[in-house]
Amino acid sequence: GESVGLHLPTLSVQEGDNSIINCAYSNSASDYFIWYKQESGKGPQFIIDIRSNMDKRQGQRVTVLLNKTVKHLSLQIAATQPGDSAVYFCAENLYMEYGNKLVFGAGTILRVKS
Amino acid sequence: GAGVSQSPSNKVTEKGKDVELRCDPISGHTALYWYRQSLGQGLEFLIYFQGNSAPDKSGLPSDRFSAERTGGSVSTLTIQRTQQEDSAVYLCASSDDRGRGETQYFGPGTRLLVL
Repeated sequence: GESVGLHLPTLSVQEGDNSIINCAYSNSASDYFIWYKQESGKGPQFIIDIRSNMDKRQGQRVTVLLNKTVKHLSLQIAATQPGDSAVYFCAENLYMEYGNKLVFGAGTILRVKS
Repeated sequence: GAGVSQSPSNKVTEKGKDVELRCDPISGHTALYWYRQSLGQGLEFLIYFQGNSAPDKSGLPSDRFSAERTGGSVSTLTIQRTQQEDSAVYLCASSDDRGRGETQYFGPGTRLLVL
């Protein structure tokens, strides 16, 4: 079946450093990708998305990079802060006959050390 | 409301009891999704609604699980004869679903504990 996976289950970074979270996807037909942040006890929160006609998209302190050749997605967080500590999920959109379906990766835990 | 809401936020029940979990999507969103998340795990897709119909129920783990949606808005996920392995966070999400790929917005989840 289709799957989205993450390379690193846990990432520890020093406050102020940049973080990079990676994700591999398997469906070459996927054309929409989302990164979510989930803090403890809360639902996933949208961070940033990217469509397949783009290689890079920037938000506030976050950048998503898409490499369609190797089917790889990454989330870069600049100047990581303690409030960035959370689980990060990538999601790949599959366009089904009936509508859209997101397939989520397993998640990466980001721990920010002060 | 401004976002997706879910109730109750926490539910403790005894094995064998039935539970109902409620989701209020963002107003105007036609698509509604239910997911299950076990402790420290990723999101497991359960069911997808487009309007009041459910074209994809492939994630429901057993016939003890069912869901409905009325008026194209509120949805209820029902678990009959709950088992301890049903303990998890149940998340609801909604989206516009107007075309190829729309962001899903999540509620805070219902934390279900089956004793």
